[in-house]
Amino acid sequence: DQQVKQNSPSLSVQEGRISILNCDYTNSMFDYFLWYKKYPAEGPTFLISISSIKDKNEDGRFTVFLNKSAKHLSLHIVPSQPGDSAVYFCAAKGAQKLVFGQGTRLTINP
Amino acid sequence: DTAVSQTPKYLVTQMGNDKSIKCEQNLGHDTMYWYKQDSKKFLKIMFSYNNKELIINETVPNRFSPKSPDKAHLNLHINSLELGDSAVYFCASSQGTSGSQFFGPGTRLTVL
Repeated sequence: DQQVKQNSPSLSVQEGRISILNCDYTNSMFDYFLWYKKYPAEGPTFLISISSIKDKNEDGRFTVFLNKSAKHLSLHIVPSQPGDSAVYFCAAKGAQKLVFGQGTRLTINP
Repeated sequence: DTAVSQTPKYLVTQMGNDKSIKCEQNLGHDTMYWYKQDSKKFLKIMFSYNNKELIINETVPNRFSPKSPDKAHLNLHINSLELGDSAVYFCASSQGTSGSQFFGPGTRLTVL
């Protein structure tokens, strides 16, 4: 059973525009949600997180929004830069462990 | 100044062999993890250790045995390797179980 889903395997955005990555989850007991970024041949790198009691967290160009009623979170990157091209994983924390989505490959076009 | 390191980076071996992957973190974290990323790119937790004590053991075959000699190291030993064990294995660490984990670069295991 896939508790965390990223339904878009890939996304292509023009440089300077906004990138929006989406994630859905099923378990209402998750208490933290995180986004990780992964380049090829490297491990995932933590980007930003949000507690389940909040609906928005911002860090520079990155903002995460949480809609608990819809069990949905999104990552906004604005403005998008070429270095943002990577695979982005959504993760949810519950019972001392992280459950990951399958990732979305973001490509930023010049 | 690598935070979480894994060796080897690549491992190619025959079915039936036994192999080990080593992980070390210099962040002073209490908790370490092993993840498997399969061919469908899902990252799934296998084990978690907190201060050398096993706290998470997902439904992983007994052929996989983690060992934590101290809180900075978590090694993964795999017996009787099977084709389905081919994957990328990631080690990670965190301070407690707060969620924000730091990952190593991964070990790509190929079983022939």
